[in-house]
Amino acid sequence: AQTVTQSQPEMSVQEAETVTLSCTYDTSESDYYLFWYKQPPSRQMILVIRQEAYKQQNATENRFSVNFQKAAKSFSLKISDSQLGDAAMYFCAYRNPYHSGTYKYIFGTGTRLKVLA
Amino acid sequence: DAGVIQSPRHEVTEMGQEVTLRCKPISGHDYLFWYRQTMMRGLELLIYFNNNVPIDDSGMPEDRFSAKMPNASFSTLKIQPSEPRDSAVYFCASSFGAIAGNTIYFGEGSWLTVV
Repeated sequence: AQTVTQSQPEMSVQEAETVTLSCTYDTSESDYYLFWYKQPPSRQMILVIRQEAYKQQNATENRFSVNFQKAAKSFSLKISDSQLGDAAMYFCAYRNPYHSGTYKYIFGTGTRLKVLA
Repeated sequence: DAGVIQSPRHEVTEMGQEVTLRCKPISGHDYLFWYRQTMMRGLELLIYFNNNVPIDDSGMPEDRFSAKMPNASFSTLKIQPSEPRDSAVYFCASSFGAIAGNTIYFGEGSWLTVV
């Protein structure tokens, strides 16, 4: 069964600095999808960034980028120029390929990011 | 698009009462998911549907929980009878499975407190 592990329950970063959140996963599939979601105190789940496993190029969305290491099954999120609004819980998520027949999204336990002014 | 719409946003109920949570997925999405979030267990998948058919309900905690999707635009999650340990935030989410996108879109959640 697929699993997603976030080993950092909590991280802190100084405003304007860079922080990296870690995520590892386990799967026997070769083609899958990985996501980072942000959950602010409002509890709304917001998509931050998405990566298709068949793409070697790391995804980037403005200040957010990922370091996707397929062989190591690692998918870390880098936040550059951290802002106070980035403070939230961040979830890493995995989804099987469509043809697998198992389409559920599996989430990690989350990393709480604190941004210090 | 209005996004995934859940109701009620907040509910406080007494132990033993029936609770019904409702969800309207994004139009055109063919997958619908129910998640439960608690401090202790994080984000748990309860059940998901494809084209209104339940595909995997292995996460449903016990017989007190049931979910239905009578049509493509509506789903319910029912708890009967409710217990204090059911207190959590319940999220509905939807996705278009076939090709592009593949992103799961969440509703704002239903905050349930059972006293």
